[in-house]
Amino acid sequence: DAKTTQPTSMDCAEGRAANLPCNHSTISGNEYVYWYRQIHSQGPQYIIHGLKNNETNEMASLIITEDRKSSTLILPHATLRDTAVYYCIVRVAGSGGYQKVTFGTGTKLQVIP
Amino acid sequence: GAVVSQHPSWVICKSGTSVKIECRSLDFQATTMFWYRQFPKQSLMLMATSNEGSKATYEQGVEKDKFLINHASLTLSTLTVTSAHPEDSSFYICSAIFPGAGELFFGEGSRLTVL
Repeated sequence: DAKTTQPTSMDCAEGRAANLPCNHSTISGNEYVYWYRQIHSQGPQYIIHGLKNNETNEMASLIITEDRKSSTLILPHATLRDTAVYYCIVRVAGSGGYQKVTFGTGTKLQVIP
Repeated sequence: GAVVSQHPSWVICKSGTSVKIECRSLDFQATTMFWYRQFPKQSLMLMATSNEGSKATYEQGVEKDKFLINHASLTLSTLTVTSAHPEDSSFYICSAIFPGAGELFFGEGSRLTVL
């Protein structure tokens, strides 16, 4: 899996959009960008993933640059419950074969009242 | 989404004893599961990949005789910490790959404290 780099921490005011960047400059053509978050003392929770097109679901939006070397996770209206560590990982999708999934350091997002 | 469950959620044991942690995919069959450990304020560290019906693949630096992994069925993988010591105290998390789309789902984690 390609490596990713994220800022260590970010603050966001409650109700504002939180924009979390991720660099994945060595991503391969068949690797997807996945985002997970981990609330304290819980297992990671899936948020969203994409290959090259922008994606949106009920939780967030994912913007991937045209060269796919970076992406941004957008939480449109951050709430206090969004305070968590957000991980960006890249991996090959599909269930066939062995796919090692490793995590970087993630971004600790603190939503401020 | 799919559910991956771990048991126990937390366990306290004496040094020298062995502890087994279960990871179950509740509504799907998973040929591949992963085991991670996480120390306070650190990221998840991949320990091993568990493949149903075959031996687990361990990451460099992880002692396979210390952390026994058994993936006996398509819905269950177990991690046994043998002869546990205080330095094995950690948060252990499993994940499973959902068939088809290949989505990765995580368990709730199991906190091990070795006295």
